[in-house]
Amino acid sequence: AQSVAQPEDQVNVAEGNPLTVKCTYSVSGNPYLFWYVQYPNRGLQFLLKYITGDNLVKGSYGFEAEFNKSQTSFHLKKPSALVSDSALYFCAVRVRRAGFQKLVFGTGTRLLVSP
Amino acid sequence: DAGVTQSPTHLIKTRGQQVTLRCSPKSGHDTVSWYQQALGQGPQFIFQYYEEEERQRGNFPDRFSGHQFPNYSSELNVNALLLGDSALYLCASSLDRGSEKLFFGSGTQLSVL
Repeated sequence: AQSVAQPEDQVNVAEGNPLTVKCTYSVSGNPYLFWYVQYPNRGLQFLLKYITGDNLVKGSYGFEAEFNKSQTSFHLKKPSALVSDSALYFCAVRVRRAGFQKLVFGTGTRLLVSP
Repeated sequence: DAGVTQSPTHLIKTRGQQVTLRCSPKSGHDTVSWYQQALGQGPQFIFQYYEEEERQRGNFPDRFSGHQFPNYSSELNVNALLLGDSALYLCASSLDRGSEKLFFGSGTQLSVL
């Protein structure tokens, strides 16, 4: 079964420092991977996706993610964290069947950026 | 251009009752999916509607049912509510059935007492 795992429940980082939120995947075939962010009392917002091509994917709000096939990882990164980046981050993998698709999400990682 | 809208935002029900949640997709989107997000968990896929038919279903009991209308809006119905049904219910729409980019609403927070 297609799945993703987020090994950290919470990541703490000081404002201005680089941040990394980890995700590993278990997928048969070529993975379609996503990162979404969820702010309090809000739905999920799309950050970026990897389908094929360059292993470094750039997304919204200065975030990027690095796809690593040998390590089956898709870590989310940002060079300089902002307090406003504090939120819940979800990694997801696309599962496709008969032309329809759904997302399978990880359990989420809470990012806390301190001033 | 309105995004995905869901109603109500919050709902309190008691065990055994029935509930209906509503979703209007983003303009131009014809595919609607529903996800359940329990506290501290990632969203879990419930089902997906396209052309007014259920096309995919996740591992949820028959108490969970849905509908899609000709204007692409959708409803999620849950019968015989259990305490464990308490969760944030998210609706997501996409441009077409093959589009992998989902747009999510803010959700309906359902509390079952």
